[in-house]
Amino acid sequence: EAGVTQFPSHSVIEKGQTVTLRCDPISGHDNLYWYRRVMGKEIKFLLHFVKESKQDESGMPNNRFLAERTGGTYSTLKVQPAELEDSGVYFCASSPYRGAYNEQFFGPGTRLTVL
Amino acid sequence: AQSVAQPEDQVNVAEGNPLTVKCTYSVSGNPYLFWYVQYPNRGLQFLLKYITGDNLVKGSYGFEAEFNKSQTSFHLKKPSALVSDSALYFCAVRDAGGKLIFGQGTELSVKP
Repeated sequence: EAGVTQFPSHSVIEKGQTVTLRCDPISGHDNLYWYRRVMGKEIKFLLHFVKESKQDESGMPNNRFLAERTGGTYSTLKVQPAELEDSGVYFCASSPYRGAYNEQFFGPGTRLTVL
Repeated sequence: AQSVAQPEDQVNVAEGNPLTVKCTYSVSGNPYLFWYVQYPNRGLQFLLKYITGDNLVKGSYGFEAEFNKSQTSFHLKKPSALVSDSALYFCAVRDAGGKLIFGQGTELSVKP
């Protein structure tokens, strides 16, 4: 079974540019989460999809961040325009809908550097 | 608000010795606790979880964790450390909505 995949693995952009991160969850997993680790600090929640619906987007830092999950499969996270403080590692995770206490399966992350 | 603390940024252990990576939590209600490990250039891998039941939870790669309600702790342990255990370890608590709240992470270094 394929795990959670993320693309790209690394992205280096200049301040003011736009970047789009992609996450492909494990097939059949309805729950999809985005997290971020900035500057070696703790991993922080960004948002949670159940299928194509945003269940919780309380962790999104501001309106420069836009997440979508069309069709309830893969998800994209767009940062526009990027700022220096957006640099960090962005993780995606998925879990099945049933089994509220299942562990989340994480992708390898996308390392974003904003110069 | 729920929170997790990992009081040690780094833990150094000699190979073959027991290891402990500490985690304390603050939650309202029953805690659902997780440990994840991140090897260099890899994503987070699930190690073990506590939902209910036995306070000693066994997980992957020989790791175990002890849930202590009175001390609000969920320390990760292994009886005999391997050099290959060197990695970044994260403790997390699941909130009511399903998201994970992570600690700061602890860098484990096991030397031969």
